[in-house]
Amino acid sequence: DTGVSQDPRHKITKRGQNVTFRCDPISEHNRLYWYRQTLGQGPEFLTYFQNEAQLEKSRLLSDRFSAERPKGSFSTLEIQRTEQGDSAMYLCASSLYYEQYFGPGTRLTVT
Amino acid sequence: AQSVTQLDSHVSVSEGTPVLLRCNYSSSYSPSLFWYVQHPNKGLQLLLKYTSAATLVKGINGFEAEFKKSETSFHLTKPSAHMSDAAEYFCVVSDQGGFKTIFGAGTRLFVKA
Repeated sequence: DTGVSQDPRHKITKRGQNVTFRCDPISEHNRLYWYRQTLGQGPEFLTYFQNEAQLEKSRLLSDRFSAERPKGSFSTLEIQRTEQGDSAMYLCASSLYYEQYFGPGTRLTVT
Repeated sequence: AQSVTQLDSHVSVSEGTPVLLRCNYSSSYSPSLFWYVQHPNKGLQLLLKYTSAATLVKGINGFEAEFKKSETSFHLTKPSAHMSDAAEYFCVVSDQGGFKTIFGAGTRLFVKA
């Protein structure tokens, strides 16, 4: 069990650019979650996958955001035309049932 | 609809004294409840969980929490604080399927020597 991994750990991008983050869950976990955390706040739910199916999306996930989980393994979160307000820590978690195991996060800075 | 409220944004205790971090929840059905801890520059770690079994839940590092349905509370306690407990703590409510998860705003715990 190598835990949940995320790549990259840090990303600095200019406003208007597209960015993509990757999450590799714990191998036997069929559920995968994306969250966004800003300074001084708790993580906010963005979206959730069971296997390859995206079952729920938060209203926080604007049209500029898209997430995929091909073949029910790793997942990617893409942000198009980044804005300064997108600067945050993006967290991925995976689970079999209730207990979610979190990755270290990808810190995005939009300049 | 679900929500969770952490009643204190900051709590400061002396090493060796008890810790109490307060959490109230709102849920239209029997929730699953969790406490997570986040140390600086580290990932979120599960401390303990309540999923409709025993109402007093024991977790790691000497922490425990009691589910009180009548008070809609799930307060986190520890008999004796250690310097290494200084961190951000999050109370979390989840629906019965464990899908939709809502985090509280967090309580930062300071431990004084």
